[in-house]
Amino acid sequence: NAGVTQTPKFRVLKTGQSMTLLCAQDMNHEYMYWYRQDPGMGLRLIHYSVGEGTTAKGEVPDGYNVSRLKKQNFLLGLESAAPSQTSVYFCASSYLPGSNNEQFFGPGTRLTVL
Amino acid sequence: RKEVEQDPGPFNVPEGATVAFNCTYSNSASQSFFWYRQDCRKEPKLLMSVYSSGNEDGRFTAQLNRASQYISLLIRDSKLSDSATYLCAVNIADAGGKLIFGQGTELSVKP
Repeated sequence: NAGVTQTPKFRVLKTGQSMTLLCAQDMNHEYMYWYRQDPGMGLRLIHYSVGEGTTAKGEVPDGYNVSRLKKQNFLLGLESAAPSQTSVYFCASSYLPGSNNEQFFGPGTRLTVL
Repeated sequence: RKEVEQDPGPFNVPEGATVAFNCTYSNSASQSFFWYRQDCRKEPKLLMSVYSSGNEDGRFTAQLNRASQYISLLIRDSKLSDSATYLCAVNIADAGGKLIFGQGTELSVKP
């Protein structure tokens, strides 16, 4: 199993450009999450999904949209990139919530917005 | 006040030392607790869950204090390979299984 994969690994955007980050998991997990990680801030939840066709806002959702059309994929979109969105983006998935909620992370996407 | 807080460190310790990290959380409804390890420029990986009675995995011991709302991680006999950032994570009982992460504590083990 590949686990959780993310594409692309690196990207440089200009302010105002749009892009989509793809997360894929082959573990048949119901729950998927998008985080961003900035120095000194830890991981902050952007959006999450509790199943195919459902999405919900996390802690820092502004400027991002998501879609979960297929169970194995969770897409994160930036419609009009801003320098404040320069960050490392991690996708994660888990099978169960609560006490058994080990989240498995992808390798990350390093995004720079100029 | 952040929901989950950690001492950011860095903790610089010699090989063989014992080091302890604390993590405080503000929401008394927090239900599940975890320690993740993150190597430089890599993704976080689960180190261990934290159970109410405390639990041990080799050189690592995790404790939970619900009354004072903190969790701890103790590393005994530190190895060079323990150098990493340690993130605590807290799950508040809800349908989403969301984790709230601390900002991480950096550990550097020196020869």
